Amino acid sequence: GNSVTQMEGPVTLSEEAFLTINCTYTATGYPSLFWYVQYPGEGLQLLLKATKADDKGSNKGFEATYRKETTSFHLEKGSVQVSDSAVYFCALSDSGAGSYQLTFGKGTKLSVIP
Amino acid sequence: GAVVSQHPSWVICKSGTSVKIECRSLDFQATTMFWYRQFPKQSLMLMATSNEGSKATYEQGVEKDKFLINHASLTLSTLTVTSAHPEDSSFYICSAFLSGTGVNGYTFGSGTRLTVV
Repeated sequence: GNSVTQMEGPVTLSEEAFLTINCTYTATGYPSLFWYVQYPGEGLQLLLKATKADDKGSNKGFEATYRKETTSFHLEKGSVQVSDSAVYFCALSDSGAGSYQLTFGKGTKLSVIP
Repeated sequence: GAVVSQHPSWVICKSGTSVKIECRSLDFQATTMFWYRQFPKQSLMLMATSNEGSKATYEQGVEKDKFLINHASLTLSTLTVTSAHPEDSSFYICSAFLSGTGVNGYTFGSGTRLTVV
């Protein structure tokens, strides 16, 4: 079956620090990969996505590259801000398996301190 | 962009009562809706998948008689927690999928915090 493993948090960084949140996956087909962000008390928002190997998703200074050889989709940001404090979820969709379900990682809580 | 409106955002109910959560797609027709449950500090657990006009498909371990899902129209799906108990307290999130839009088709509601006392 499909699964997503992401680094456990919480992660606490100072403002302007470099962020990396690791994510690896297993899938039966050729999945699309996503990063979602959840701010306190809210639902999920799509942060970025990649649909095929070597694609790079980017948004709001965040980046992630679809690495098929290492089955990874690590999230990075060069300089985090306090407003980036949230929970980040890595996810995959394997429509080739006949379903459009999203499989989520457990989430990584990021706290950015001034 | 596609928006899913989820209501209520929070609800407190007494044990034994039922609670209905609604998700509406505001500017598109959602052929497929997913319902998730999120425990504190944990990931989203898929509860069920519903397609308009047909019965929902429940994930293993989810009681379909307790968590009633109705997807009677292309713009509305509801989750009813029947005879709620304190262990049902959780954060419930719906997600709509618009077929034909590929990976852009997932849109999430803002979630409902259910507290059963």
